[in-house]
Amino acid sequence: GAGVSQSPSNKVTEKGKDVELRCDPISGHTALYWYRQRLGQGLEFLIYFQGNSAPDKSGLPSDRFSAERTGGSVSTLTIQRTQQEDSAVYLCASSLAPGIRANVLTFGAGSRLTVL
Amino acid sequence: AQTVTQSQPEMSVQEAETVTLSCTYDTSESDYYLFWYKQPPSRQMILVIRQEAYKQQNATENRFSVNFQKAAKSFSLKISDSQLGDAAMYFCAYRSAAGGTSYGKLTFGQGTILTVHP
Repeated sequence: GAGVSQSPSNKVTEKGKDVELRCDPISGHTALYWYRQRLGQGLEFLIYFQGNSAPDKSGLPSDRFSAERTGGSVSTLTIQRTQQEDSAVYLCASSLAPGIRANVLTFGAGSRLTVL
Repeated sequence: AQTVTQSQPEMSVQEAETVTLSCTYDTSESDYYLFWYKQPPSRQMILVIRQEAYKQQNATENRFSVNFQKAAKSFSLKISDSQLGDAAMYFCAYRSAAGGTSYGKLTFGQGTILTVHP
């Protein structure tokens, strides 16, 4: 597609429920990143995909968080047994292969998650 | 690990005036990239300007320019002739040019909210 698409745009859930957030990157972008942005804060790195593999999962805050990417395209971030501290905007970004010096990340508009 | 610090939580400027946003970073690397991103209320992160560390010349994009001081590890953004549409949260970000598993990952500062007064 023309840009990075994320869905849902907004999600309200009850504590303890599972949620799935989807990211559809720009066509041809092999690298995909998930970030978390708490209210009024900067972006925290969660996970990086190159193709379907995730060389860097160091930012996932707990084992309740997982992500996968299939077909080198769409990625899903899953949060199990949601907690109130999971409330945040989850941003996805994609780019061409990181080895390219001119590489720039393009971000989606994010999914705002509210856990009641 | 690299860190990025934006010491100004909020800044304001009059329309048509000039404002400078500060950013400092800490790294032991010599080859890296620095970025300024803009995030309006729509949440969409928009790349404003990029600087490659090996280039001594400061990057410029229309009304936006940077003052890159490599020895001081400082990377400030100057917005000239400020417009109402410049109002947003601005983030400074660092990216290593080295390889490895985190190649391409951005490290962000905490952001500066810019208000533009008419």
